[in-house]
Amino acid sequence: NAGVTQTPKFQVLKTGQSMTLQCAQDMNHEYMSWYRQDPGMGLRLIHYSVGAGITDQGEVPNGYNVSRSTTEDFPLRLLSAAPSQTSVYFCASSYSRRVGLPTYEQYFGPGTRLTVT
Amino acid sequence: KNEVEQSPQNLTAQEGEFITINCSYSVGISALHWLQQHPGGGIVSLFMLSSGKKKHGRLIATINIQEKHSSLHITASHPRDSAVYICAVEQGGSEKLVFGKGTKLTVNP
Repeated sequence: NAGVTQTPKFQVLKTGQSMTLQCAQDMNHEYMSWYRQDPGMGLRLIHYSVGAGITDQGEVPNGYNVSRSTTEDFPLRLLSAAPSQTSVYFCASSYSRRVGLPTYEQYFGPGTRLTVT
Repeated sequence: KNEVEQSPQNLTAQEGEFITINCSYSVGISALHWLQQHPGGGIVSLFMLSSGKKKHGRLIATINIQEKHSSLHITASHPRDSAVYICAVEQGGSEKLVFGKGTKLTVNP
């Protein structure tokens, strides 16, 4: 198993450009999520999905879109990049995360370091 | 006030020392996670617990639900344990994780 993969590893964008960060997992996990990590702050949830066709907003969703057309893939789209979106982005997945059901450990991708100038 | 507070923020130890990292939270939770982030940036799950205590090798995690507190202990610390340790909680009734800011551990030989 490749686990959780993310591409690209590094990206530099100019303000106003758009791009898609790719995330894929081969573990048949229902739950997938995107986080951003900034210095001095904990990981913050951007968007998440509890299954194909279902997405919801996290703590910091503005400026980002997601879709989940397959179980395996969960791309994160930056619509119009801003310097405030300079960060390290992590995708994560787990077998399931539904209210009232058992909890499973999370698997993280290697991260994408994004710089917006 | 953050929902998840970790202490200390930074910790330096000598090889062989017993390490304790603390995590306090202010909300009702269904589970708590301990994660490790190495200097290269990768994040791995160490423990997931909702009660009691778990042990894996030299690592021990405990949780006290009544006191809303968890600890991560490392026995016989080693330089390879140097990393950022992150506590995260699953709020009861939510599908989301809330993370602490992490504790940076440096173990010197």
